[in-house]
Amino acid sequence: GDSVTQMEGPVTLSEEAFLTINCTYTATGYPSLFWYVQYPGEGLQLLLKATKADDKGSNKGFEATYRKETTSFHLEKGSVQVSDSAVYFCALSENNFNKFYFGSGTKLNVKP
Amino acid sequence: GAGVSQTPSNKVTEKGKYVELRCDPISGHTALYWYRQSLGQGPEFLIYFQGTGAADDSGLPNDRFFAVRPEGSVSTLKIQRTERGDSAVYLCASSPLAGGTLPYNEQFFGPGTRLTVL
Repeated sequence: GDSVTQMEGPVTLSEEAFLTINCTYTATGYPSLFWYVQYPGEGLQLLLKATKADDKGSNKGFEATYRKETTSFHLEKGSVQVSDSAVYFCALSENNFNKFYFGSGTKLNVKP
Repeated sequence: GAGVSQTPSNKVTEKGKYVELRCDPISGHTALYWYRQSLGQGPEFLIYFQGTGAADDSGLPNDRFFAVRPEGSVSTLKIQRTERGDSAVYLCASSPLAGGTLPYNEQFFGPGTRLTVL
């Protein structure tokens, strides 16, 4: 079945540091891949997405590239800010988009 | 505009009791989804509605869980004979349509209801 594995947290970085959160997936078909972010006290928000191999999703300085050969969708940001502190979830959805499979989440703490 | 809202935000109940959790989706959204998020885990799919009907309920863990959406808008997740293992955050999401391609299928999540079964 479909599943998503992402690196365990928490990840603690200083402001302006480089961020990578690893995500790998298992899918029976050709899924679309997503990163969702959950800020403290708020609901999940879509951060970025990629719908086919080699696509790069980007938003708010975050990027992730859909790598079919390594079944990965790692999240990166060149310079994190304190306001990026949140929990990040990698997710996939098969082509019908009827349900998502989420990873367990990675908590990011950015120190000033 | 208003996002997805869920009530109550917190619910504490005793083992064996019945609970109802409510979701108000974004106005006009056809599809509605329920997820359960246990501590330290990602959301786990429970059920989704296309209009009034449950199109996929494969994620409901057992027959103590039931959900309705009688008028195609508000949905209620019902849990009978609650158990301590039911304690989790229950998330609701809605999207304009179900099936097809983005952006029409982006799911917008509510803040969740934290259920604690003592």
